[in-house]
Amino acid sequence: DVKVTQSSRYLVKRTGEKVFLECVQDMDHENMFWYRQDPGLGLRLIYFSYDVKMKEKGDIPEGYSVSREKKERFSLILESASTNQTSMYLCASSSGLVEQYFGPGTRLTVT
Amino acid sequence: GDSVTQMEGPVTLSEEAFLTINCTYTATGYPSLFWYVQYPGEGLQLLLKATKADDKGSNKGFEATYRKETTSFHLEKGSVQVSDSAVYFCALASGTYKYIFGTGTRLKVLA
Repeated sequence: DVKVTQSSRYLVKRTGEKVFLECVQDMDHENMFWYRQDPGLGLRLIYFSYDVKMKEKGDIPEGYSVSREKKERFSLILESASTNQTSMYLCASSSGLVEQYFGPGTRLTVT
Repeated sequence: GDSVTQMEGPVTLSEEAFLTINCTYTATGYPSLFWYVQYPGEGLQLLLKATKADDKGSNKGFEATYRKETTSFHLEKGSVQVSDSAVYFCALASGTYKYIFGTGTRLKVLA
């Protein structure tokens, strides 16, 4: 059974903290994605990666960075968390431009 | 740019009622189209897909037909169950690594 896992389901951080969200996939997919999901806004792409050490900005990259040192792992970093980054974060992977496989999500609260 | 528009929710139906969730899209080229479902507390799961005009995707009693002439991909089910209560997302994939999601439609099915 294919799987995308995320390091935490729920996370509470303070304003200004550095936050790491990790995503691991076991399908040998070359593409990995980070989205945030907010009510009424659907899914918005933060960053994606199409190969190890390669990354591209999505629609809302400000305040975020990413790291992909190994094919199976894609990390999202909030350099200095702010309250407007409170959201649900979803990781996904795909092979080519076919369906994406999603992780369960991390609900991040920044206080 | 490319976009997906789906009907606003919430949609509330009685068990065994007929379901339609409308989805229209704007895209250059020939996108692939998807419906994803998100159950409470989980990530998105692929429900069905269609990759070219007139294709019909189907799964678990749900169907959607890729209509190029009306740029639509409406989701239908003949008889909904309480277990179908979830948020449904219409999405397209086109170009390179580009996925566009609608804002989601919440479905609530009452026993």
